[in-house]
Amino acid sequence: GQNIDQPTEMTATEGAIVQINCTYQTSGFNGLFWYQQHAGEAPTFLSYNVLDGLEEKGRFSSFLSRSKGYSYLLLKELQMKDSASYLCAVRKNTGGFKTIFGAGTRLFVKA
Amino acid sequence: DTGVSQNPRHKITKRGQNVTFRCDPISEHNRLYWYRQTLGQGPEFLTYFQNEAQLEKSRLLSDRFSAERPKGSFSTLEIQRTEQGDSAMYLCASSLGQGANNEQFFGPGTRLTVL
Repeated sequence: GQNIDQPTEMTATEGAIVQINCTYQTSGFNGLFWYQQHAGEAPTFLSYNVLDGLEEKGRFSSFLSRSKGYSYLLLKELQMKDSASYLCAVRKNTGGFKTIFGAGTRLFVKA
Repeated sequence: DTGVSQNPRHKITKRGQNVTFRCDPISEHNRLYWYRQTLGQGPEFLTYFQNEAQLEKSRLLSDRFSAERPKGSFSTLEIQRTEQGDSAMYLCASSLGQGANNEQFFGPGTRLTVL
């Protein structure tokens, strides 16, 4: 089976740094995605990690440790527009790279 | 607009009726996915196509659900004898199927309300 855990909600202040953690248990791990989803909108791609380590992309960075089944998304210099749900998703290497999503972390950025 | 499109954007139906949704993926993408999302949850995998072949279907999907992708381009998702529990956002996504990350591009979704 598979299980993806991430905090339900987080609150942070504009200009600050926030780290959203994700732990997973799955067979056939092929990679880990982070998606951003604003309320009422479709998810949009943020990052993809397949090897251990940190991937940096502008204000957003994503980290993966396959041995620990752990990832985090780091958001720097928070802006109000970053208020959204952040979805951790695991891609499996079976069945055409099926992707399993976590429930998401709702991030509230306050002034 | 060259993104993923879905129609209709909203559908209200009475319990017991059949509904059909359409998804047009990005033209060069050969993989197409259907997901269902309810409030406060992440997208839940329903089914997946590579070209016209349906390669995987979630065990959560009852026999009332069927999906097709007849020519390997657009896809339809049909729900027969709808139930109130079917009320959700139905998301379609497509990906290129090659390359390092196979990023999935999502459409805007079809919001279904079953009365």
